[in-house]
Amino acid sequence: DAEITQSPRHKITETGRQVTLACHQTWNHNNMFWYRQDLGHGLRLIHYSYGVHDTNKGEVSDGYSVSRSNTEDLPLTLESAASSQTSVYFCASSESSGRSEAFFGQGTRLTVV
Amino acid sequence: AQSVTQLDSQVPVFEEAPVELRCNYSSSVSVYLFWYVQYPNQGLQLLLKYLSGSTLVKGINGFEAEFNKSQTSFHLRKPSVHISDTAEYFCAVSNTNAGKSTFGDGTTLTVKP
Repeated sequence: DAEITQSPRHKITETGRQVTLACHQTWNHNNMFWYRQDLGHGLRLIHYSYGVHDTNKGEVSDGYSVSRSNTEDLPLTLESAASSQTSVYFCASSESSGRSEAFFGQGTRLTVV
Repeated sequence: AQSVTQLDSQVPVFEEAPVELRCNYSSSVSVYLFWYVQYPNQGLQLLLKYLSGSTLVKGINGFEAEFNKSQTSFHLRKPSVHISDTAEYFCAVSNTNAGKSTFGDGTTLTVKP
């Protein structure tokens, strides 16, 4: 069965370190998204991609970057981790249509100390 | 631009009672609407979606939603809830052909025995 997986599921890192969260999907979807989920804020879009070599900023992109070198993967990098980036991060993918629902990974809980 | 407002952040209800989770949206063009459910420590999964046609949409686990264009609403209902329905519910809207959705802040449904 097709799936979308995130790794690691949990991570603790120190302020100032660079961190990369992995996202891998086998749906063969063109669209991939990264969200963060915080209490009281719902899901906020960080970055998204509509295909290989395409990346776009979301509403909370400062301090984050992504790259899309193939269809399956969209890694999220925190250039210099800050305590404000402690959150649960979700990756999602969808077909190239507004009619298509998103398929979500299980999430990565990141703690920056 | 599009936005989603979930009118209730928390909804407590007793088992076997009916429930309605409210969602309003704003958009200058036609939209596609979605409800997702998130169980504890999991990613989001699709409950149901409205694309076109009949305004009453049926989803999984006995949930249904009604699209009301004049009131720009897409409220989620279930006639009789179970303990297992305790979860966070997200309303989302998409109005592009590319597949990027905007999510509401979520409603926590707590079903009490």
